[in-house]
Amino acid sequence: QVTLKESGPALVKPTQTLTLTCTFSGFSLSTSKMRVSWLRQPPGKALEWLARIDWDDDKFYSTSLKTRLTISKDTSKNQVVLTMINMDPVDTATYYCARMASSDAFDIWGQGTMVTVSS
Amino acid sequence: SYELTQPPSVSVSPGQTASITCSGHKLGDKDASWYQQKPGQSPVLVIYQDYKRPSGIPERFSGSNSGSTATLTISGTQAMDEADYYCQAWDGTPNYVFGTGTRVTVL
Repeated sequence: QVTLKESGPALVKPTQTLTLTCTFSGFSLSTSKMRVSWLRQPPGKALEWLARIDWDDDKFYSTSLKTRLTISKDTSKNQVVLTMINMDPVDTATYYCARMASSDAFDIWGQGTMVTVSS
Repeated sequence: SYELTQPPSVSVSPGQTASITCSGHKLGDKDASWYQQKPGQSPVLVIYQDYKRPSGIPERFSGSNSGSTATLTISGTQAMDEADYYCQAWDGTPNYVFGTGTRVTVL
């Protein structure tokens, strides 16, 4: 059974750095063509893709946010970490990690973690 | 930047067919996916690569994609299908783009 679970702070202050961890099971990120992405959804709004990391350590970022994002993986721990610098109240959202197997679709999602940016 | 547009809402009677459209420039040249999201829950993939259903997704969900429009069709709509639906495509840069979302109401 494939599962993913996000963890991180529920509240961050403006200008701080957010660090989120995605811990997964049921697949390996060292398997060819396997990828994990981070996405977010502000309250009442649409989904937004943030970043992707591949089995071969290739990394891709949203054009609009790439200067603020860093994605990394620890294959031995089955974890993917996302850092976002210079947080702002508009970054308040539920953050999800999701697996991408052989297609450009997000086939399994984590439960999400709500992050509020407020002083 | 690439944009995908969906109608804000679709209403359907139980047992009838609901069609949700997703419009984008030359969308038919890309792979379209669809996600179902119920209140307070994570999205669930219901269609990928235009028309393929993941394991466990009922046959009443089907998809098509041609020209500038992808369509998700729910045949024999059930009350449990009431949810928000999002289309998604990869614009090649790579940026994964989501549609504006459609709320399906089963009356």
